[in-house]
Amino acid sequence: QQQVKQSPQSLIVQKGGISIINCAYENTAFDYFPWYQQFPGKGPALLIAIRPDVSEKKEGRFTISFNKSAKQFSLHIMDSQPGDSATYFCAAGNNNDMRFGAGTRLTVKP
Amino acid sequence: NAGVTQTPKFQVLKTGQSMTLQCAQDMNHNSMYWYRQDPGMGLRLIYYSASEGTTDKGEVPNGYNVSRLNKREFSLRLESAAPSQTSVYFCASIRGWGRTYNEQFFGPGTRLTVL
Repeated sequence: QQQVKQSPQSLIVQKGGISIINCAYENTAFDYFPWYQQFPGKGPALLIAIRPDVSEKKEGRFTISFNKSAKQFSLHIMDSQPGDSATYFCAAGNNNDMRFGAGTRLTVKP
Repeated sequence: NAGVTQTPKFQVLKTGQSMTLQCAQDMNHNSMYWYRQDPGMGLRLIYYSASEGTTDKGEVPNGYNVSRLNKREFSLRLESAAPSQTSVYFCASIRGWGRTYNEQFFGPGTRLTVL
């Protein structure tokens, strides 16, 4: 039972383009939605996170859009750079539980 | 600060062998976690320790045991390894209690293969 569904599995974007990764969750009790970035051979690192009381959060080139009624949220990477090439994981949770998406491998071509 | 460290980085076991994965953090964090990462599955929680002296099961605890040795160290033990336990294992820590609104700091991982 996959409680957080993430798409696409892989994504190729040209340098300067916009990368968009989508996630959908099932448990309406979840109230914390982080995104993690993972480079090969490294552990995941928190990139940006949002609470359900706002519909959008922006940090530099990274933006989370959140749709509570649809139980969906997405990560937008503006002006994508080759250094952004990594695997991105969404997650959804609360203090009792946290579930992760399966990951999206992003490749930004120069 | 080294952050979260894990040993070993790589390990190959035969079915039925046992081993312990070590994790240590130097950030004075209260909570520590063990995850496994499998292709197409995302991270799944094996066990966690909300504070020194306590441990609890996560999503996939079968075949594993843990020990919170002190505030810094949290080990994961496979008593009788099985091929289904082939995975990449990550340890993580959090300053407070609970994974909501608290940043998880992950170690570099241990890649385990069970033949």
